[in-house]
Amino acid sequence: EPEVTQTPSHQVTQMGQEVILRCVPISNHLYFYWYRQILGQKVEFLVSFYNNEISEKSEIFDDQFSVERPDGSNFTLKIRSTKLEDSAMYFCASSEMIGKNTEAFFGQGTRLTVV
Amino acid sequence: DAKTTQPPSMDCAEGRAANLPCNHSTISGNEYVYWYRQIHSQGPQYIIHGLKNNETNEMASLIITEDRKSSTLILPHATLRDTAVYYCIVRDPEGGSEKLVFGKGMKLTVNP
Repeated sequence: EPEVTQTPSHQVTQMGQEVILRCVPISNHLYFYWYRQILGQKVEFLVSFYNNEISEKSEIFDDQFSVERPDGSNFTLKIRSTKLEDSAMYFCASSEMIGKNTEAFFGQGTRLTVV
Repeated sequence: DAKTTQPPSMDCAEGRAANLPCNHSTISGNEYVYWYRQIHSQGPQYIIHGLKNNETNEMASLIITEDRKSSTLILPHATLRDTAVYYCIVRDPEGGSEKLVFGKGMKLTVNP
């Protein structure tokens, strides 16, 4: 069964460093998303991406964050200068299309720890 | 903010049906009810969705009341692997936003 894959599974970084979280969406999917979940809290939407541009973003997704689809398979989330409060699980998701009969498939997440 | 209300937790015996309730009294005519689950901090997993008719797939059944103000997700024969946090989400899939708004969900514990 096709799945969304994320690497690394766990990333430890020092405050102020840049990190790039990587995702390989399901191959025929066209819509891509990042969510995050701070430990013990809700899953929160960050950004959606379609046709090589951001289609929607939350207020969490400030100038420190960026997304990119550098090639035909990868989808990345970059945090330019990490803060302690960026520590969370980051989930990538993809969907084949949008609309009522399309569900989002989530990856297993990257645990980001900022020290 | 999430537009749904779920009890914080529920227990179920292995092999029995698990009936997970959700209230969505302010649901609008174009909004669908979606269910996802999250097993121990893994990525959320889609289960099922529906508008007003009852729906069934290989994972579960979704029963939506006639007034659409509440619904029940049914896992017909719960297993230990169904222990997870279950999220009931309402959204309009053609309302211009693709994001899922997760609430706190309901922790289902399936006991042996």
